[in-house]
Amino acid sequence: KQEVTQIPAALSVPEGENLVLNCSFTDSAIYNLQWFRQDPGKGLTSLLLIQSSQREQTSGRLNASLDKSSGRSTLYIAASQPGDSATYLCAGNQGAQKLVFGQGTRLTINP
Amino acid sequence: DGGITQSPKYLFRKEGQNVTLSCEQNLNHDAMYWYRQDPGQGLRLIYYSQIVNDFQKGDIAEGYSVSREKKESFPLTVTSAQKNPTAFYLCASFWGDYTFGSGTRLTVV
Repeated sequence: KQEVTQIPAALSVPEGENLVLNCSFTDSAIYNLQWFRQDPGKGLTSLLLIQSSQREQTSGRLNASLDKSSGRSTLYIAASQPGDSATYLCAGNQGAQKLVFGQGTRLTINP
Repeated sequence: DGGITQSPKYLFRKEGQNVTLSCEQNLNHDAMYWYRQDPGQGLRLIYYSQIVNDFQKGDIAEGYSVSREKKESFPLTVTSAQKNPTAFYLCASFWGDYTFGSGTRLTVV
């Protein structure tokens, strides 16, 4: 059974820093790996989707990588801003677009 | 604007009562999903439907039921058999990428 783990559970950094969020998964047979953002009390916003045949995806200041052999994905945020403060969730697609989620990393960017 | 509408935003349920959470989408997506989120945890899949009149159990389907009579609608009923229903419920649809609703927070009183 697929298990997804995110470390750390919470992270607080000063504005302007570059940072990395980590995600690990136990079953390398995933179709794709997706990163989401969740603001308090809100739904999820899709950030980046990496297909199993891809190694990384980029969108603006965000870059996500996928290493299926090691069961790891990272989300890199460049030049962090207070507006980046949110919970970031990674999820592996097990087929039929059924997602298995990690517990999330709660990110706080301090002005 | 296209999207997913979940209602109500907040819902209170008495012990032994069934309640239904609404999820409507105007994106023309075939696949729809219901997830449950507990504090400090990731989302867990309750039910999903890949086409009208068909749905499948997810990882935590016990105590829940769904229907998919129309493409745009995928309501979730939380039955009295669900012993710990207090949670944040999220509906999603998929076509190339996921679109999530804004959620319903259900509390047992």
